[in-house]
Formats: sequence, C-alpha cells, structure tokens
Amino acid sequence: AQSVTQPDIHITVSEGASLELRCNYSYGATPYLFWYVQSPGQGLQLLLKYFSGDTLVQGIKGFEAEFKRSQSSFNLRKPSVHWSDAAEYFCAVASPYNNNDMRFGAGTRLTVKP
Amino acid sequence: DVKVTQSSRYLVKRTGEKVFLECVQDMDHENMFWYRQDPGLGLRLIYFSYDVKMKEKGDIPEGYSVSREKKERFSLILESASTNQTSMYLCASSPFGGAGYTFGSGTRLTVV
Repeated sequence: AQSVTQPDIHITVSEGASLELRCNYSYGATPYLFWYVQSPGQGLQLLLKYFSGDTLVQGIKGFEAEFKRSQSSFNLRKPSVHWSDAAEYFCAVASPYNNNDMRFGAGTRLTVKP
Repeated sequence: DVKVTQSSRYLVKRTGEKVFLECVQDMDHENMFWYRQDPGLGLRLIYFSYDVKMKEKGDIPEGYSVSREKKERFSLILESASTNQTSMYLCASSPFGGAGYTFGSGTRLTVV
C-alpha cells in the first residue's frame, strides 16, 4: 500500500521568505498526489493535486508543487510567505486504481514570523 | 458553495455513552469517509462508504461503526465512548473516480 512521509514536523519562516515543505511517498507506480492545508480549528482544504502530465502543478493561494519521480517526492513551494499561510499542511497519496484509499502524512506545522 | 457539514464543532461526552457524529454533503458524491486526527499521527481512516448502505473498514475501525442510509449522510457511531477516543473527527466526501476529497470543518470530541 502507498504511504507518505513528511520529514519536517514544524517549520518557521519569516514573512516574505520563500517556503518549501517536503513530501516523500512510497508507491510502486505513479500515484495521485495532493497537498491540503488546515487552518486552526478547521477542516482540510485542497491546495493542489497531481494526476499526470506536467510535473509542476499550480494551486490556490500562490502555492505550487513539483512531482519528481526519481526522488519519489512532491514538495510544496511558495515564493513569498504571508502571515495568513500559518497553518498545518498535509501531503496525501492515493492509488489511481483505488481512490478510496488515500494516505496522509503526519503533517507539517508552519509558523510565520513577522 | 459545495459543502460537507458536520453537525457539531465541539462535543463533550462521558465514558460509556453512545455517541453519534453526523456528516452531510450536498455535492451528490458517492464516496464518504470518516477520519480521526491526532497530533503527530496525521489522519487515520476509520470507515468509508462508496454507496448507500455500503461500508468498508479503514485502518482503525475498532470501537466505531457507521451508517449510510441516504447518499448525502454518513454517520459515525461510537458504541461506548472511551477516553482514548478523544480526538478531532473529520468527515470527507469525493465523487466516484476521486479527484480529491472535500472535508468538513471537523468535530472535536472530548470523552471524560
């Protein structure tokens, strides 16, 4: 079965600085990949997804992610972080053959310094 | 705006009580899911359903059951609540074929 690792539990960046959140997956073929964001006390909101095609995916709120098959990674990036980006971010992977089996990483909590 | 609505944001229940968590979606999605979220563990799947009256166990079904009598509604039942079921519970739905889940705002359950 597929699995996801988010190596960083907590990251702190300054407002205006660039951001990269790491995600590594384990799956025998090319999976479906997702990034979600969770603001405090809220549910998860889909930022972006990758199914196939162009390996650089654009999402909402200025986020992008790049699928690298050779590294089994799907890292999330943003060129300039805003204070409102402070939240928890979850990477998720699903099999293209069974979309009911989505696996989530443990999450990365982002703190934004003024 | 499409929505997944969870009936309660916060619940406090006593040990041994039977607890019902309700989830309703208005997107005509076939698939519905219940997760629990705990710090450091991410989201763990409790149960999911891909059709009315159908259910499948997820990774941690023990102590839980579910009901899906109508397509839009998926209920999670804690038969006899215990303190180790204190958690955030998230409901999600997706259309047949996937394309990402839509989540509710969550129910934070405390069992005392």
